[in-house]
Amino acid sequence: KAGVTQTPRYLIKTRGQQVTLSCSPISGHRSVSWYQQTPGQGLQFLFEYFSETQRNKGNFPGRFSGRQFSNSRSEMNVSTLELGDSALYLCASSLSPAGEYREQFFGPGTRLTVL
Amino acid sequence: DAKTTQPPSMDCAEGRAANLPCNHSTISGNEYVYWYRQIHSQGPQYIIHGLKNNETNEMASLIITEDRKSSTLILPHATLRDTAVYYCILSSSGNTGKLIFGQGTTLQVKP
Repeated sequence: KAGVTQTPRYLIKTRGQQVTLSCSPISGHRSVSWYQQTPGQGLQFLFEYFSETQRNKGNFPGRFSGRQFSNSRSEMNVSTLELGDSALYLCASSLSPAGEYREQFFGPGTRLTVL
Repeated sequence: DAKTTQPPSMDCAEGRAANLPCNHSTISGNEYVYWYRQIHSQGPQYIIHGLKNNETNEMASLIITEDRKSSTLILPHATLRDTAVYYCILSSSGNTGKLIFGQGTTLQVKP
């Protein structure tokens, strides 16, 4: 079974631009979560989607948004990019949001550099 | 903020057991203890989780104290490939898909 895939793997943007990152979860997984990783702040939760609905949201400004499609694929968008948005953006999928077993499978990430 | 406390770094000799501690004194009754690790430049990888009983799988063992205020992840025979940052995370079954990572423990396995 294929793992979580993220595209693109690397991206360079300039301040003020916007960016869209894509995540394809493992087949059958319906929950997709997004995380931002920076050297200063570590791994931080952005948001989680299940059945096209946002279930949880982290403490990030409104410039960060996401969505999930009916096939469980997810995208996240960052508008008006700032230098501080340079980070590794990780996507994770899990089989179901309910119940005890909620192992998350992480993708390789998208490395975003804002110049 | 993360609700767990871990030592920032630890060393372990290859072939020996690595014991990684985690304090979670404010754990709630419905919170599980999860362990993930992140090898350099890769996405985090799930290791093991537990509620109150000790757990073992092919990767590791998890020992949770009776009062559930602390736990220890045990890698029985550490290899160089176990060098990574290890994260101890609390999460309730009702709080799905949201992992709050702390700073973790950087484990360096040495030959």
